[in-house]
Amino acid sequence: GENVEQHPSTLSVQEGDSAVIKCTYSDSASNYFPWYKQELGKRPQLIIDIRSNVGEKKDQRIAVTLNKTAKHFSLHITETQPEDSAVYFCAAPNMDSNYQLIWGAGTKLIIKP
Amino acid sequence: DAGVIQSPRHEVTEMGQEVTLRCKPISGHDYLFWYRQTMMRGLELLIYFNNNVPIDDSGMPEDRFSAKMPNASFSTLKIQPSEPRDSAVYFCASSLRVYEQYFGPGTRLTVT
Repeated sequence: GENVEQHPSTLSVQEGDSAVIKCTYSDSASNYFPWYKQELGKRPQLIIDIRSNVGEKKDQRIAVTLNKTAKHFSLHITETQPEDSAVYFCAAPNMDSNYQLIWGAGTKLIIKP
Repeated sequence: DAGVIQSPRHEVTEMGQEVTLRCKPISGHDYLFWYRQTMMRGLELLIYFNNNVPIDDSGMPEDRFSAKMPNASFSTLKIQPSEPRDSAVYFCASSLRVYEQYFGPGTRLTVT
């Protein structure tokens, strides 16, 4: 089955700098890679996703890159702002088990003023 | 659309009592997921349904937990009897395709 590892567990960056969070997956057949943002006390919300037929996707200040050969995908946030402070989760589908998402452990992103 | 609706938002109960959590998925979505989130164990999938049918309940921790989906617009997660270690935030999520899941606001359960 699929296994998803996420690093780092905590990331502290200066406001205005960039942040990068990385996830690795084990099943080369996986074809969908979402990123969720969870603010304190709130629900996880889908912020961006990528399918295996593309290598990069951007949406304003956030982007996701996918390296299928190395089996890893990353979330990039540029020009970080205080409202980017949250826990970010990556996920990948378990292709052996009805495609249920397997979740990373989460990264707490702290934006320092 | 109102999004996924969960009730209650907060539940405090005593050990041994029955707890019922409720979820209304987004209209038209055919997948429904129940998750549990704690600091120690992160986000855990408990069970999910497709077209009201349970597909995978391997994440349900033990027989004290049960879930039903009697129709396309309603699901329940029941814990009987509840224990302090069940204290967590329980999320319901729904999706039109299995991947793009939309979460409800969650139910914060405290068992004393």
